[in-house]
Amino acid sequence: GAVVSQHPSWVICKSGTSVKIECRSLDFQATTMFWYRQFPKQSLMLMATSNEGSKATYEQGVEKDKFLINHASLTLSTLTVTSAHPEDSSFYICSARGGAYNEKLFFGSGTQLSVL
Amino acid sequence: GENVEQHPSTLSVQEGDSAVIKCTYSDSASNYFPWYKQELGKRPQLIIDIRSNVGEKKDQRIAVTLNKTAKHFSLHITETQPEDSAVYFCAASIQGTSYGKLTFGQGTILTVHP
Repeated sequence: GAVVSQHPSWVICKSGTSVKIECRSLDFQATTMFWYRQFPKQSLMLMATSNEGSKATYEQGVEKDKFLINHASLTLSTLTVTSAHPEDSSFYICSARGGAYNEKLFFGSGTQLSVL
Repeated sequence: GENVEQHPSTLSVQEGDSAVIKCTYSDSASNYFPWYKQELGKRPQLIIDIRSNVGEKKDQRIAVTLNKTAKHFSLHITETQPEDSAVYFCAASIQGTSYGKLTFGQGTILTVHP
């Protein structure tokens, strides 16, 4: 299957700082990427849908100015958590589809964010 | 929007037994139903999927059934092994619209006892 790389795998930051998470499709062109948030022992909650070259579509209740998403190329999407606070601590995971894998969704390895 | 309900939330079986996880969906337009396995702290892995034009699909010990009329689908794992222990998520999407975004069920924690 397709390979989706996510970096970093974990990050600890101070409250008020910004954190950038990268999601890359390594062996296919990802026309669409999705960003999810997952709390312990809970399901994946879709935050936003990102399409290359256009603005991301955010789900209801997700703050656009808080979670900045950029999908500048067909292999890279980034999520920036701005002015992070402890309540932003969570497991963030991206997924991608496109090219030969346009019907299936493949996930990155996830990023555990801890805000102190 | 789509709503996916998954049951049970936890499932405990003995090694060798079968495990069944059930999901229902609300949007009759949904036409793609994947199942993911997620181990602690790791990414969800696609284990099997089914499309609305098929009623059943099998891959070794794993099978999925779909009832479009009742809007429910199920995951069946036979001859369970301890390494099957994980969280399983069902999902539904409409291929070809809304960029095919997936709506996930709440997850089932499967524990297989040796």
